[in-house]
Amino acid sequence: AQTVTQSQPEMSVQEAETVTLSCTYDTSESNYYLFWYKQPPSRQMILVIRQEAYKQQNATENRFSVNFQKAAKSFSLKISDSQLGDTAMYFCARQANNLFFGTGTRLTVIP
Amino acid sequence: KAGVTQTPRYLIKTRGQQVTLSCSPISGHRSVSWYQQTPGQGLQFLFEYFSETQRNKGNFPGRFSGRQFSNSRSEMNVSTLELGDSALYLCASRYLAGTSGYEQYFGPGTRLTVT
Repeated sequence: AQTVTQSQPEMSVQEAETVTLSCTYDTSESNYYLFWYKQPPSRQMILVIRQEAYKQQNATENRFSVNFQKAAKSFSLKISDSQLGDTAMYFCARQANNLFFGTGTRLTVIP
Repeated sequence: KAGVTQTPRYLIKTRGQQVTLSCSPISGHRSVSWYQQTPGQGLQFLFEYFSETQRNKGNFPGRFSGRQFSNSRSEMNVSTLELGDSALYLCASRYLAGTSGYEQYFGPGTRLTVT
């Protein structure tokens, strides 16, 4: 099965706080890539961070970091120092030949 | 570099009509993928083109088709439109296709409404 599961439909966080979004996936492949995309109200899909499955080290991009647990097939996104502009839908995706997306988590940053 | 562009941004059609959407990838990107986004089904893969050839196809009926030109621009066509085809259609480009790790960059989407 090629499924990506995001179990948190909605989350909220206070500005400047830290929040973690969860994602699990299913795959039979040993080499694959994982992504987090952000979709603000403008609907523009924006790449947040990527992780190569063969790399042990967790990816980091400024305030965004991931916790990649390959054996558990888990790929969570941590947003530190949350900002109002982080308010968006966040999609976890696994790339095989194409992207398989999760159902998304709607994150609201509260001032 | 300019980003992925999609035209038109908004479209209203009636049932039974056909529609063509256009996507221009980032310069140098040779792969173009199309996705349908609806509230009920989420984001679903339609197809991917690379070097004018369809590489992969999602689980959509034959009414959905596409093509890619030699300059990597791509078009998507939906014939005999149904109400359920109302959606945001997203185009994404990347340097190479397949299981490569090249990330996909998305356009702003075309909002199609079928009445």
